[in-house]
Amino acid sequence: QKEVEQDPGPLSVPEGAIVSLNCTYSNSAFQYFMWYRQYSRKGPELLMYTYSSGNKEDGRFTAQVDKSSKYISLFIRDSQPSDSATYLCATSDYKLSFGAGTTVTVRA
Amino acid sequence: NAGVTQTPKFQVLKTGQSMTLQCAQDMNHEYMSWYRQDPGMGLRLIHYSVGAGITDQGEVPNGYNVSRSTTEDFPLRLLSAAPSQTSVYFCASSREGEAFFGQGTRLTVV
Repeated sequence: QKEVEQDPGPLSVPEGAIVSLNCTYSNSAFQYFMWYRQYSRKGPELLMYTYSSGNKEDGRFTAQVDKSSKYISLFIRDSQPSDSATYLCATSDYKLSFGAGTTVTVRA
Repeated sequence: NAGVTQTPKFQVLKTGQSMTLQCAQDMNHEYMSWYRQDPGMGLRLIHYSVGAGITDQGEVPNGYNVSRSTTEDFPLRLLSAAPSQTSVYFCASSREGEAFFGQGTRLTVV
């Protein structure tokens, strides 16, 4: 069993829709929770970073962490074609564990 | 501000050849790691290091060696390339879970 399981994609939504991405993790020792965005043929880049349970907002992006159920989510409001990318969830104790990634396409 | 620099960006190897993928960071991070990314598999950890002189295996270490003689550099060596090692390789440098990735090396083994 992988340490981080991510909902498989791909996901295709119309512009302006809300995108919802989800992951579960197995190791309760994980302390840090991240979402990375990866454009085609590029390296992943950090999008959101949280340390504790609860919500964190950054513009159109909201990251949620529920440590009791070991569940992490990313919501993208008012999605734009420029949000089309692969999104990877990740958790960390002292090393990073990644989900398999969900490819999102936002249609204009 | 260079961040994480990986070289080369592209490489074609013949089966059985060896090569070294270079990775350097200028952020003074203790933790560095190598991943491979294959379609549908996400990022899989090959080897990682928590500081100079300390390395450990990740999820898919077979066929790869690493060393960490300095904080800045973390090279990945392919000992005898196999077609199964055709992949995109990413080096990352991180602190408290926040990772910075290089631009990747696209490796094809024929």
